Amino acid sequence: AQSVTQLDSQVPVFEEAPVELRCNYSSSVSVYLFWYVQYPNQGLQLLLKYLSGSTLVKGINGFEAEFNKSQTSFHLRKPSVHISDTAEYFCAVKADSWGKFQFGAGTQVVVTP
Amino acid sequence: EAGVVQSPRYKIIEKKQPVAFWCNPISGHNTLYWYLQNLGQGPELLIRYENEEAVDDSQLPKDRFSAERLKGVDSTLKIQPAELGDSAVYLCASSRSGQGANEQFFGPGTRLTVL
Repeated sequence: AQSVTQLDSQVPVFEEAPVELRCNYSSSVSVYLFWYVQYPNQGLQLLLKYLSGSTLVKGINGFEAEFNKSQTSFHLRKPSVHISDTAEYFCAVKADSWGKFQFGAGTQVVVTP
Repeated sequence: EAGVVQSPRYKIIEKKQPVAFWCNPISGHNTLYWYLQNLGQGPELLIRYENEEAVDDSQLPKDRFSAERLKGVDSTLKIQPAELGDSAVYLCASSRSGQGANEQFFGPGTRLTVL
């Protein structure tokens, strides 16, 4: 079985500052990794995903994430945040071709002027 | 392209009452998921359908929860009877296939409050 740990439950950040959201996972097999964003009263929306190949993955809205196999991490970054980035962010892992998604508990990002 | 549609968006009921949630996935998506999201938590899978077949319902509390996807398109999730602890957001998602890393598209969810 796999598991996902998001190390920060809440991250306050000033507008135009960089942000990093940490995600660690455990799995005995190769995994697919994802980051989703959830705005208030909405469903989750995919930001980016890692399947294989380059460990640096670029997604929508200026986000990127880096897969580190040795540290079993998949941290999400954005060099300059906007007020509109205020949302909940979820890391997820899928362990095999037909496996189910395992989501982390989420990180609430609050961007202030 | 229309997204995943869920109704109702909000539901308030008293404990021991039944409740049902409806989901219409994106056209052409064979895989449909129902998730439970408690406050401050990530979604937890309740059941996954591949077409009309429930292929993973291991986390569905079958004593009170049931689901169906009769024609392999839209789906209904039912709770009978509801308990206070069932208060949560119920999310429906769909994807082209449950295989690989196919993107899941989520609906806005149904927020259930049990009094």
